[in-house]
Amino acid sequence: KAGVTQTPRYLIKTRGQQVTLSCSPISGHRSVSWYQQTPGQGLQFLFEYFSETQRNKGNFPGRFSGRQFSNSRSEMNVSTLELGDSALYLCASSLEVHSYEQYFGPGTRLTVT
Amino acid sequence: TQLLEQSPQFLSIQEGENLTVYCNSSSVFSSLQWYRQEPGEGPVLLVTVVTGGEVKKLKRLTFQFGDARKDSSLHITAAQPGDTGLYLCAGARGAGKSTFGDGTTLTVKP
Repeated sequence: KAGVTQTPRYLIKTRGQQVTLSCSPISGHRSVSWYQQTPGQGLQFLFEYFSETQRNKGNFPGRFSGRQFSNSRSEMNVSTLELGDSALYLCASSLEVHSYEQYFGPGTRLTVT
Repeated sequence: TQLLEQSPQFLSIQEGENLTVYCNSSSVFSSLQWYRQEPGEGPVLLVTVVTGGEVKKLKRLTFQFGDARKDSSLHITAAQPGDTGLYLCAGARGAGKSTFGDGTTLTVKP
C-alpha cells in the first residue's frame, strides 16, 4: 500500500507571499492532520480534517488554513508568509478522526526569505 | 509548558552499546506512541502502548508504559548505526490530537 505523499518536497518563498501544500493520505485513511516542525518548537499540531470538515485545530494564527477534498486529499495554505514560517510541514494520515496512530509523509521543507 | 518531557535531549554512543530514553509527564495518557524520524523524512510509527505497565518488544527495541500511564521508556539493546535518528514520543488524551515531546536525537557511531 502506498504511503502518504506530499508535494512539493521543497519550496522557497518570499516574505508576504502565500503558499499551498498538498497531501495525499494512505488509501482508505480518512483523517489528515498537519504539523509544523521546527528545531525550536518541535512538532506542533496545526489542524485535522475528516470527511472534508476541520475536526481539531491547534494554536496557530488564521494565516494558516486547510481543506480536505472528497477523496481525502488535503491542502494547507499559508498566507502572508513570515520568516518564522520556515519549517518542515508534515502531513499525517490515520483511519479515523480519533485514531492516535498516525502515518506521516516525508514533509515539505518551506524556506521563507 | 511542555506536556511531554523527553530525556536525554541528545545521546551519542558507540555501536553495540545499550541505551534508554525517557518520556515523562505529569498527565495521564490513554495511549502513547513512539516514532523514529530520520533527517529529511517524516516520523515513522514504531509502537503504541495502551495499558499501564505494558511492555512491547520490537527486535532490539523494548518499550514500556508506566503503571500510572504518565511515562514511558524506550530501551535499545546493542545499538546499530541504523538506529540513528530522532525518537519522538506522543501522548494521547481524550478527543484531542496527540501531544509530541521534543524528542531525543540518537547518534550511533560505527
